[in-house]
Amino acid sequence: LAKTTQPISMDSYEGQEVNITCSHNNIATNDYITWYQQFPSQGPRFIIQGYKTKVTNEVASLFIPADRKSSTLSLPRVSLSDTAVYYCLVGDSQNTGTASKLTFGTGTRLQVTL
Amino acid sequence: NAGVTQTPKFQVLKTGQSMTLQCAQDMNHNSMYWYRQDPGMGLRLIYYSASEGTTDKGEVPNGYNVSRLNKREFSLRLESAAPSQTSVYFCASSEGLAVGTDTQYFGPGTRLTVL
Repeated sequence: LAKTTQPISMDSYEGQEVNITCSHNNIATNDYITWYQQFPSQGPRFIIQGYKTKVTNEVASLFIPADRKSSTLSLPRVSLSDTAVYYCLVGDSQNTGTASKLTFGTGTRLQVTL
Repeated sequence: NAGVTQTPKFQVLKTGQSMTLQCAQDMNHNSMYWYRQDPGMGLRLIYYSASEGTTDKGEVPNGYNVSRLNKREFSLRLESAAPSQTSVYFCASSEGLAVGTDTQYFGPGTRLTVL
């Protein structure tokens, strides 16, 4: 599984758009990019997944440039309830023998204030 | 559907004691996982199971044993607890076998303190 690098923390005001970037320079051809959100005292929750270009759902958008060496999670008009830790994972959809390398890293702690 | 359930929610042990953390899922998922999360850290995989009777080590398996009793249940056992095992333990499950991409569904966690 590709190694990922994210900012440790970010701050935002309520109502702003937040973009969290994840670097994954050694991403492989079969790798997908997945983002999870974790609130305090809860397990992570799936947000969005993509392979290339742009993916959008009701919660967020995921932008992936052509070289796929990075990706950006975009949260539109954040609210206080978006305060959480956000994890970027890069994994191979074909390879089922990589559990030992599965890691969520330390994630990005987003703090939203009024 | 209850999703992924874990018991107990909280546990305090003394060094050397043993205990088993229980996890069950009602989504008919094939894969199940055990993670630990230390303060300010991300999740680290302890063990993974792709099906009943099969288990694979994750990043931090030392000091733990697991058992995939059936498709629904995946238990984690600490034979001789140590203070270094103080952590929050999360169980998760996913539908398929592609650990790199399948959406994982997490339980509420078990907060374990070892004195």
